[in-house]
Amino acid sequence: DGGITQSPKYLFRKEGQNVTLSCEQNLNHDAMYWYRQDPGQGLRLIYYSQIVNDFQKGDIAEGYSVSREKKESFPLTVTSAQKNPTAFYLCASSPGTEPSTLHFGNGTRLTVT
Amino acid sequence: GQQVMQIPQYQHVQEGEDFTTYCNSSTTLSNIQWYKQRPGGHPVFLIQLVKSGEVKKQKRLTFQFGEAKKNSSLHITATQTTDVGTYFCADITSGTYKYIFGTGTRLKVLA
Repeated sequence: DGGITQSPKYLFRKEGQNVTLSCEQNLNHDAMYWYRQDPGQGLRLIYYSQIVNDFQKGDIAEGYSVSREKKESFPLTVTSAQKNPTAFYLCASSPGTEPSTLHFGNGTRLTVT
Repeated sequence: GQQVMQIPQYQHVQEGEDFTTYCNSSTTLSNIQWYKQRPGGHPVFLIQLVKSGEVKKQKRLTFQFGEAKKNSSLHITATQTTDVGTYFCADITSGTYKYIFGTGTRLKVLA
């Protein structure tokens, strides 16, 4: 079955450490996205990528970095510069043709103490 | 950046009552999509609206796009406990692949 895989489901880190969240898709989608969700809040866009080797900052990119070396993969690194990293992180993809729907992974819940 | 507001933020209803959530923007919306996120889950696509004044129905759910394309609404008739979750609208900025989500409305249905 095609889909988006995020791993791990839960992640715990100490403050000051960088951490990388994995996102892999086998839907052959061109575009991929990272969103952050805080309790009781909406989805805020961190980064998105329309095509391999290209990505754009979203509304809250500070303290995060991404890479898009392969079509299937769009890892997100939460750096120590991110002041409030504890959150639920959702990866999504879309075919890239407008307008198209977003397909989400199951998310990674990151806790930094 | 662009902001899409949703009201109300929370709504508790008795099973069988109707429910409506509104999505509002200060700028013209391009294409509106609606998603549902069950508790502990991830958002799942419900529907897309493209044309001014468009109305679409899915069983008990009615979606509407405003005439000026600055607002949209989702109405659920006779809610059921399976309707529990958070409903999001999302605008897709024309000419880009950028999806901006609304703040969401969390619905609780009391049996």
